[in-house]
Amino acid sequence: AQSVAQPEDQVNVAEGNPLTVKCTYSVSGNPYLFWYVQYPNRGLQFLLKYITGDNLVKGSYGFEAEFNKSQTSFHLKKPSALVSDSALYFCAVRDSNYQLIWGAGTKLIIKP
Amino acid sequence: DAMVIQNPRYQVTQFGKPVTLSCSQTLNHNVMYWYQQKSSQAPKLLFHYYDKDFNNEADTPDNFQSRRPNTSFCFLDIRSPGLGDAAMYLCATTETGFMNTEAFFGQGTRLTVV
Repeated sequence: AQSVAQPEDQVNVAEGNPLTVKCTYSVSGNPYLFWYVQYPNRGLQFLLKYITGDNLVKGSYGFEAEFNKSQTSFHLKKPSALVSDSALYFCAVRDSNYQLIWGAGTKLIIKP
Repeated sequence: DAMVIQNPRYQVTQFGKPVTLSCSQTLNHNVMYWYQQKSSQAPKLLFHYYDKDFNNEADTPDNFQSRRPNTSFCFLDIRSPGLGDAAMYLCATTETGFMNTEAFFGQGTRLTVV
């Protein structure tokens, strides 16, 4: 069965430090992976996706993600965190029926 | 230049009183989705439309219905809301049949049942 795991419920980072939000996946076939961000009482916003090609994907707001096939991971990263990055982050993979399989979400807290 | 618009942003309804949430899109996408999201959990797919073809998730309660009168609009009807239906409801769209395209979400409707 296809699945996505976000092992951390919450990640705390000091402003200016690098951040990583972890995601691992299990799919049959080629993975189509996505990261979304959700601010309080808002919808989900697309950040970036991995389809094929370069393992390092760059997205919105200075975020990037590294695809690692051998570790079946797609971790979200940013070199220098901002307080405004505090939000809920979801990793997702598209299954063979074109539906999105979601991770449980990781709350990112950036402290000044 | 909002692309997926949900109305209203906040909705309060009485227990058992039918309520309708609306979603419109300017992207001309063929696929539209309704998700339910509770307490910062992952979104839970209720159903989706592929053009006019309606696809219900197996565990979506019968209390939830949907209509899609045209490409641009989609409605979520909750026939008899219970306290457990209080949640954020998210509408999303994607292009037809592409595995590599992202979903576009509306801002959501926060439903409160009193």
